[in-house]
Amino acid sequence: DIQMTQSPSSLSASVGDSVTITCRASQSITTYLNWYQQKPGKAPKVLIYAASTLQSGVPSRFSGSGFGIDFTLTISSLQPEDFATYYCQQSYSTPWTFGRGTKVEIK
Amino acid sequence: EVQLVDSGGDLVKPGGSLRLSCAASGFTFSSYTLNWVRQAPGKGLEWVSCISGSSAYVYYAGSVRGRFTISRDNAKNSLYLQMNSLRAEDTAVYYCARESLDSREFDYWGQGTLVTVS
Repeated sequence: DIQMTQSPSSLSASVGDSVTITCRASQSITTYLNWYQQKPGKAPKVLIYAASTLQSGVPSRFSGSGFGIDFTLTISSLQPEDFATYYCQQSYSTPWTFGRGTKVEIK
Repeated sequence: EVQLVDSGGDLVKPGGSLRLSCAASGFTFSSYTLNWVRQAPGKGLEWVSCISGSSAYVYYAGSVRGRFTISRDNAKNSLYLQMNSLRAEDTAVYYCARESLDSREFDYWGQGTLVTVS
């Protein structure tokens, strides 16, 4: 199984800050890497797929990059509605696996 | 509009069984692979199972293989998860999720249904 190591597990930031979350796969997954946002009590929502493609309707302050093993999600100019938990997920081979999540909290 | 509506969650005793359902609308159901993803209280996301559009391919997480069975009825636009030999560690919110055709991300999710094994 492909292990996804996500860091940090949590971070505190202020509105307007830029934040970066990283995800490392245990083997190459080319660009089969997706990022999700989840708010309490809600289903996850895809933000970025194929490592760097923005899902329709997602604000352009979200961006993704990476290839192979190392990937990043960047939120430029954090907004109040961005405080949530973020997960990476590989869709290269089953079993599909998720990172353990990064909780973005208000400083 | 694509919609997935999860149902069937309940309180069940260890060793018991439960069947979850996911009703889909707004897309060509038989064209898409569908998944079940679960989330234990206060924990992260765990993929459970997937089934291809024609039901030709089925995969399971190791934690549920041999106890859970995924199925679908394309005539009814419905996805199912039969869960047997339930354990306390199966307690979670279960989501159905549609897998996109190209990059295989989960592009639409149900609202989730809570299964409590106690």
